[in-house]
Amino acid sequence: LAKTTQPISMDSYEGQEVNITCSHNNIATNDYITWYQQFPSQGPRFIIQGYKTKVTNEVASLFIPADRKSSTLSLPRVSLSDTAVYYCLVGLTGGFKTIFGAGTRLFVKA
Amino acid sequence: NAGVTQTPKFRILKIGQSMTLQCTQDMNHNYMYWYRQDPGMGLKLIYYSVGAGITDKGEVPNGYNVSRSTTEDFPLRLELAAPSQTSVYFCASSYAGMGSDGNQPQHFGDGTRLSIL
Repeated sequence: LAKTTQPISMDSYEGQEVNITCSHNNIATNDYITWYQQFPSQGPRFIIQGYKTKVTNEVASLFIPADRKSSTLSLPRVSLSDTAVYYCLVGLTGGFKTIFGAGTRLFVKA
Repeated sequence: NAGVTQTPKFRILKIGQSMTLQCTQDMNHNYMYWYRQDPGMGLKLIYYSVGAGITDKGEVPNGYNVSRSTTEDFPLRLELAAPSQTSVYFCASSYAGMGSDGNQPQHFGDGTRLSIL
């Protein structure tokens, strides 16, 4: 199982771009990289997923270098409502082969 | 759509009591999961199921049991509640998942907050 390493916490201000990097040195060939967001008292919510290069959706962008040993979640122009815990997961499929680490606590200040 | 529904939302148990946490999904997902989340920690997989009649252990299965008689429902049973099982429990589901078509995202319920005193 691929283990991931993320910063424990990050602070930002409203309107800034936030980049959260995740290290996954043991990623396997067929593994995908998935990011989830979790607000207090709620279950995690899927943000974005990628395999290589760059993926963008209406919420975030995911940058994955060629060696795939790390990935960066980019949140453009964060707002107070983006204060949450962000989890990086690496695994094949189904969830039972992935591990939720402690995540990165992002605190957005006014 | 309701998505993943968990009941109850809160519960207090006494040591040694038993209870069942209910989870149902209306998305026709074949994969379902149970996680627990302790304060300030990530989620740990308790049990998972890849379809009706098929279940398997995750990281922390001791003290729990599951069954999957239908696609929609995946109840989690605590037989002899212990203080170490005080946690927030999340149920999730996803569609298919095997193969090279990617890691199908999991859809989570809002959790059951369980305290054992």
